[in-house]
Amino acid sequence: GAGVSQSPSNKVTEKGKDVELRCDPISGHTALYWYRQRLGQGLEFLIYFQGNSAPDKSGLPSDRFSAERTGESVSTLTIQRTQQEDSAVYLCASSPWGATDTQYFGPGTRLTVL
Amino acid sequence: SQELEQSPQSLIVQEGKNLTINCTSSKTLYGLYWYKQKYGEGLIFLMMLQKGGEEKSHEKITAKLDEKKQQSSLHITASQPSHAGIYLCGADARGGKLIFGQGTELSVKP
Repeated sequence: GAGVSQSPSNKVTEKGKDVELRCDPISGHTALYWYRQRLGQGLEFLIYFQGNSAPDKSGLPSDRFSAERTGESVSTLTIQRTQQEDSAVYLCASSPWGATDTQYFGPGTRLTVL
Repeated sequence: SQELEQSPQSLIVQEGKNLTINCTSSKTLYGLYWYKQKYGEGLIFLMMLQKGGEEKSHEKITAKLDEKKQQSSLHITASQPSHAGIYLCGADARGGKLIFGQGTELSVKP
């Protein structure tokens, strides 16, 4: 079946512009996660959606970052007024129930801020 | 907060050789995941370990979680070029999110 998909695969933007990154989780998965991976570093947790519960936003690095999820489907990560330090690969993952479930990752969106 | 340390950070081996990657946690592990990442791609789930002393194998890759649940090792037998990539360990940091080690970059020379 289809895995987690993300779009765009690559995004180049100018400093100060807003960007939107999209994630389509595996159908039926109630939990959705966003992570950021800077060059040469491990993954950093950003935000976690679980069903209709309030999202865990504890990993968002600043108020320029926000994310939404429509029901138990598509999620959009928005970065406003992008900065060069936002350049990274943004990875989305989904899992059937959250918590201790295995997370399945999408291919990521490579964001470059000039 | 919990941290994961992977060693080595990078590894170059000759095809056919065995290798081990380690992942050490600063706190007790309640769920330990191993993923593989190829450059420019997402993470591929390899294995999950939860119980102290647990060992799982898939093809030529074996992962173990020690009895104290603070360290895991990933062992590849008779490495092949297809094994090349970045291996990441991830831990269940409670509340659903994972924390990750910094990764181990494996290169396999034919």
